[in-house]
Amino acid sequence: GESVGLHLPTLSVQEGDNSIINCAYSNSASDYFIWYKQESGKGPQFIIDIRSNMDKRQGQRVTVLLNKTVKHLSLQIAATQPGDSAVYFCAENMLIQGAQKLVFGQGTRLTINP
Amino acid sequence: DTGVSQNPRHKITKRGQNVTFRCDPISEHNRLYWYRQTLGQGPEFLTYFQNEAQLEKSRLLSDRFSAERPKGSFSTLEIQRTEQGDSAMYLCASSLLWLSGNTIYFGEGSWLTVV
Repeated sequence: GESVGLHLPTLSVQEGDNSIINCAYSNSASDYFIWYKQESGKGPQFIIDIRSNMDKRQGQRVTVLLNKTVKHLSLQIAATQPGDSAVYFCAENMLIQGAQKLVFGQGTRLTINP
Repeated sequence: DTGVSQNPRHKITKRGQNVTFRCDPISEHNRLYWYRQTLGQGPEFLTYFQNEAQLEKSRLLSDRFSAERPKGSFSTLEIQRTEQGDSAMYLCASSLLWLSGNTIYFGEGSWLTVV
């Protein structure tokens, strides 16, 4: 079936440490993936994306890694800050019957400890 | 850049009443999406428009739900005869479909509480 899931529902890290949030996807035909950050009471905020013809993409303090062999996606956040506390969703952009559709996983709650 | 705008941000209504949410997408974005999100879950796709045409509706969208985008700009989502199970955050998103990608940007959502 079409599903995107996350390995861990919660993750706690010390401020200043690096965080790694994982995601598994099931549709090998998906060609585009997005990570979103969602703070309490707000809509999902775009963080970084990656196309299936890439295996790594870097942004500011964030890196997304894509392993198509095992259908695994990860988000690395360097030197985590209190403002990074949020729920992180990976989303799989699939083309279904001519329509682009984002399929979200359940999310991982990232908590930064001082 | 004003981003995707939604209103009202919060709505409390009695069961059986009708509610309408409005979404103003990012200027010049030709695609507009509606998603629904309940507590602890990821957003679920409801429907989307390309310009003024509604191209797909999810099975989640019962006949009490209707969405319009009459001039290909703003969109409305109406829920008739609301039920308690309709309580959720309704998210609007927009994108500019182009050859290299389709990054979807979300608004802040409209919270609906049906009592």
